[in-house]
Amino acid sequence: DTGVSQNPRHKITKRGQNVTFRCDPISEHNRLYWYRQTLGQGPEFLTYFQNEAQLEKSRLLSDRFSAERPKGSFSTLEIQRTEQGDSAMYLCASSLEGHTEAFFGQGTRLTVV
Amino acid sequence: QQPVQSPQAVILREGEDAVINCSSSKALYSVHWYRQKHGEAPVFLMILLKGGEQKGHDKISASFNEKKQQSSLYLTASQLSYSGTYFCGTLQGAQKLVFGQGTRLTINP
Repeated sequence: DTGVSQNPRHKITKRGQNVTFRCDPISEHNRLYWYRQTLGQGPEFLTYFQNEAQLEKSRLLSDRFSAERPKGSFSTLEIQRTEQGDSAMYLCASSLEGHTEAFFGQGTRLTVV
Repeated sequence: QQPVQSPQAVILREGEDAVINCSSSKALYSVHWYRQKHGEAPVFLMILLKGGEQKGHDKISASFNEKKQQSSLYLTASQLSYSGTYFCGTLQGAQKLVFGQGTRLTINP
Protein backbone atom coordinates (compact mmCIF):
# COMPACT_ATOMS: atom_id res chain seq x y z
CA ASP A 1 0.00 0.00 0.00
CA THR A 2 1.52 3.24 -1.13
CA GLY A 3 -0.70 5.71 0.68
CA VAL A 4 -3.81 7.68 -0.16
CA SER A 5 -4.54 7.86 -3.87
CA GLN A 6 -6.73 10.42 -5.59
CA ASN A 7 -7.96 10.50 -9.16
CA PRO A 8 -7.91 12.42 -11.34
CA ARG A 9 -5.08 14.76 -10.35
CA HIS A 10 -6.45 17.56 -12.49
CA LYS A 11 -9.90 18.25 -13.88
CA ILE A 12 -11.02 21.09 -16.10
CA THR A 13 -14.75 21.34 -16.64
CA LYS A 14 -17.25 23.77 -18.04
CA ARG A 15 -19.61 25.55 -15.72
CA GLY A 16 -22.78 23.56 -15.22
CA GLN A 17 -21.18 20.16 -15.76
CA ASN A 18 -21.03 17.42 -13.14
CA VAL A 19 -17.70 16.06 -11.89
CA THR A 20 -16.77 13.10 -9.74
CA PHE A 21 -13.52 12.52 -7.87
CA ARG A 22 -12.26 9.30 -6.35
CA CYS A 23 -10.20 8.65 -3.24
CA ASP A 24 -8.60 5.34 -2.29
CA PRO A 25 -7.53 5.49 1.36
CA ILE A 26 -4.89 3.44 3.11
CA SER A 27 -6.50 0.03 3.31
CA GLU A 28 -6.80 -0.43 7.06
CA HIS A 29 -7.98 3.13 7.73
CA ASN A 30 -11.61 3.39 8.73
CA ARG A 31 -11.82 7.18 8.72
CA LEU A 32 -11.89 9.16 5.51
CA TYR A 33 -12.04 12.93 5.19
CA TRP A 34 -12.71 15.27 2.29
CA TYR A 35 -11.34 18.82 2.34
CA ARG A 36 -11.34 21.75 -0.07
CA GLN A 37 -8.35 24.07 -0.24
CA THR A 38 -8.00 27.36 -2.07
CA LEU A 39 -4.81 29.30 -2.55
CA GLY A 40 -3.36 30.61 0.70
CA GLN A 41 -5.96 28.95 2.89
CA GLY A 42 -5.98 25.92 5.14
CA PRO A 43 -7.86 22.74 4.23
CA GLU A 44 -11.57 23.42 4.72
CA PHE A 45 -13.52 20.49 6.12
CA LEU A 46 -16.23 19.15 3.82
CA THR A 47 -17.29 15.77 5.17
CA TYR A 48 -16.00 12.60 6.77
CA PHE A 49 -16.79 8.91 7.01
CA GLN A 50 -16.33 6.28 9.66
CA ASN A 51 -16.26 3.11 7.57
CA GLU A 52 -19.25 3.45 5.21
CA ALA A 53 -21.19 5.88 7.42
CA GLN A 54 -21.07 9.57 6.57
CA LEU A 55 -20.94 11.14 10.04
CA GLU A 56 -20.90 14.82 9.26
CA LYS A 57 -21.22 17.17 6.33
CA SER A 58 -20.16 20.80 6.53
CA ARG A 59 -23.01 23.28 6.65
CA LEU A 60 -21.04 25.33 4.15
CA LEU A 61 -21.57 22.60 1.60
CA SER A 62 -24.45 23.10 -0.77
CA ASP A 63 -26.76 20.34 -1.94
CA ARG A 64 -24.75 20.18 -5.15
CA PHE A 65 -22.05 18.27 -3.26
CA SER A 66 -22.45 14.63 -2.35
CA ALA A 67 -20.04 12.00 -1.14
CA GLU A 68 -20.24 8.27 -0.78
CA ARG A 69 -18.09 5.52 0.63
CA PRO A 70 -19.70 2.23 -0.34
CA LYS A 71 -18.43 -0.77 1.59
CA GLY A 72 -16.18 1.47 3.63
CA SER A 73 -13.36 1.37 1.12
CA PHE A 74 -12.87 4.01 -1.61
CA SER A 75 -14.90 7.21 -1.62
CA THR A 76 -16.29 9.45 -4.32
CA LEU A 77 -17.08 13.15 -4.17
CA GLU A 78 -19.52 14.46 -6.77
CA ILE A 79 -20.20 18.08 -7.57
CA GLN A 80 -23.28 18.75 -9.67
CA ARG A 81 -23.84 21.82 -11.82
CA THR A 82 -20.35 23.14 -11.14
CA GLU A 83 -19.78 26.86 -10.59
CA GLN A 84 -16.61 28.90 -10.96
CA GLY A 85 -16.45 29.21 -7.18
CA ASP A 86 -15.98 25.44 -6.97
CA SER A 87 -12.50 25.80 -8.46
CA ALA A 88 -10.11 24.55 -5.78
CA MET A 89 -7.90 21.67 -4.70
CA TYR A 90 -9.95 18.81 -3.26
CA LEU A 91 -7.99 16.80 -0.73
CA CYS A 92 -8.77 13.41 0.72
CA ALA A 93 -7.22 12.10 3.92
CA SER A 94 -7.56 8.87 5.87
CA SER A 95 -6.73 7.76 9.37
CA LEU A 96 -7.38 5.12 11.95
CA GLU A 97 -10.07 5.80 14.50
CA GLY A 98 -9.03 7.93 17.46
CA HIS A 99 -6.34 10.55 17.90
CA THR A 100 -4.05 9.39 15.15
CA GLU A 101 -2.33 11.06 12.26
CA ALA A 102 -4.17 11.62 9.02
CA PHE A 103 -2.49 10.87 5.71
CA PHE A 104 -3.33 13.06 2.75
CA GLY A 105 -3.58 12.23 -0.91
CA GLN A 106 -2.05 14.48 -3.56
CA GLY A 107 -5.43 16.07 -4.24
CA THR A 108 -7.55 16.75 -7.30
CA ARG A 109 -7.26 20.24 -8.70
CA LEU A 110 -10.58 21.35 -10.18
CA THR A 111 -10.82 24.27 -12.58
CA VAL A 112 -14.27 25.39 -13.66
CA VAL A 113 -14.26 27.55 -16.79
CA GLN B 1 -14.97 26.10 14.42
CA GLN B 2 -11.44 26.24 13.08
CA PRO B 3 -8.41 26.92 15.30
CA VAL B 4 -6.65 30.26 14.92
CA GLN B 5 -2.97 30.42 14.00
CA SER B 6 -0.50 33.23 14.48
CA PRO B 7 1.43 34.74 12.91
CA GLN B 8 0.05 34.40 9.39
CA ALA B 9 3.52 34.61 7.87
CA VAL B 10 7.13 34.53 9.01
CA ILE B 11 10.32 35.32 7.10
CA LEU B 12 13.58 34.10 8.58
CA ARG B 13 17.21 33.79 7.68
CA GLU B 14 18.65 30.30 7.78
CA GLY B 15 19.63 29.42 11.35
CA GLU B 16 17.04 31.64 13.05
CA ASP B 17 14.24 30.38 15.30
CA ALA B 18 10.47 30.65 14.90
CA VAL B 19 7.37 30.00 16.98
CA ILE B 20 3.94 29.32 15.50
CA ASN B 21 0.91 29.43 17.76
CA CYS B 22 -2.42 27.66 17.49
CA SER B 23 -5.40 28.40 19.72
CA SER B 24 -8.99 27.28 19.94
CA SER B 25 -12.13 28.58 21.59
CA LYS B 26 -13.25 24.98 22.09
CA ALA B 27 -11.70 22.34 24.31
CA LEU B 28 -8.77 20.63 22.62
CA TYR B 29 -8.50 16.86 22.78
CA SER B 30 -5.42 16.72 20.64
CA VAL B 31 -3.40 18.95 18.33
CA HIS B 32 -1.94 17.86 15.02
CA TRP B 33 0.78 19.74 13.16
CA TYR B 34 1.31 19.47 9.40
CA ARG B 35 3.60 21.11 6.87
CA GLN B 36 2.63 21.72 3.27
CA LYS B 37 5.02 22.69 0.53
CA HIS B 38 3.80 24.49 -2.55
CA GLY B 39 1.89 22.17 -4.85
CA GLU B 40 2.11 19.23 -2.48
CA ALA B 41 -0.17 17.55 0.03
CA PRO B 42 0.10 18.34 3.75
CA VAL B 43 2.56 16.09 5.55
CA PHE B 44 2.14 15.02 9.17
CA LEU B 45 4.74 16.34 11.63
CA MET B 46 3.48 15.37 15.07
CA ILE B 47 0.46 14.98 17.30
CA LEU B 48 0.09 16.02 20.92
CA LEU B 49 -2.47 14.22 23.02
CA LYS B 50 -2.14 15.44 26.56
CA GLY B 51 -2.05 18.81 28.21
CA GLY B 52 1.52 19.67 29.03
CA GLU B 53 2.88 17.23 26.48
CA GLN B 54 5.91 18.27 24.51
CA LYS B 55 7.29 16.48 21.50
CA GLY B 56 9.95 16.99 18.95
CA HIS B 57 12.25 15.52 16.40
CA ASP B 58 15.27 17.04 14.81
CA LYS B 59 14.90 20.75 15.56
CA ILE B 60 11.12 20.94 15.34
CA SER B 61 9.18 20.57 18.56
CA ALA B 62 5.75 21.44 19.93
CA SER B 63 3.95 21.93 23.21
CA PHE B 64 0.30 21.62 24.19
CA ASN B 65 -1.30 23.69 26.93
CA GLU B 66 -4.68 22.07 27.43
CA LYS B 67 -5.91 24.61 29.97
CA LYS B 68 -5.15 27.54 27.71
CA GLN B 69 -6.48 25.57 24.72
CA GLN B 70 -3.40 26.31 22.69
CA SER B 71 -0.36 24.72 21.16
CA SER B 72 2.93 26.11 19.90
CA LEU B 73 5.31 24.78 17.25
CA TYR B 74 8.99 25.63 17.69
CA LEU B 75 11.50 25.59 14.86
CA THR B 76 15.07 26.13 16.00
CA ALA B 77 18.13 26.80 13.86
CA SER B 78 15.87 26.78 10.82
CA GLN B 79 16.98 25.12 7.60
CA LEU B 80 15.95 25.96 4.05
CA SER B 81 13.95 22.72 3.96
CA TYR B 82 11.66 24.04 6.70
CA SER B 83 10.04 26.47 4.28
CA GLY B 84 6.35 25.85 3.67
CA THR B 85 2.99 26.47 5.22
CA TYR B 86 2.34 25.02 8.66
CA PHE B 87 -1.13 23.99 9.74
CA CYS B 88 -2.43 22.96 13.10
CA GLY B 89 -5.41 20.65 13.23
CA THR B 90 -7.71 19.86 16.11
CA LEU B 91 -10.09 16.99 16.64
CA GLN B 92 -13.49 18.48 17.41
CA GLY B 93 -15.88 16.27 19.29
CA ALA B 94 -12.94 13.85 19.26
CA GLN B 95 -13.81 12.93 15.69
CA LYS B 96 -13.70 15.71 13.11
CA LEU B 97 -10.26 16.99 12.13
CA VAL B 98 -10.39 20.74 11.50
CA PHE B 99 -7.44 22.90 10.39
CA GLY B 100 -6.32 26.45 11.01
CA GLN B 101 -5.71 28.90 8.20
CA GLY B 102 -1.98 28.22 8.15
CA THR B 103 1.30 30.05 8.79
CA ARG B 104 3.56 30.59 5.80
CA LEU B 105 7.23 30.20 6.72
CA THR B 106 9.92 31.47 4.36
CA ILE B 107 13.56 30.68 5.07
CA ASN B 108 16.12 32.73 3.19
CA PRO B 109 19.79 31.76 2.88
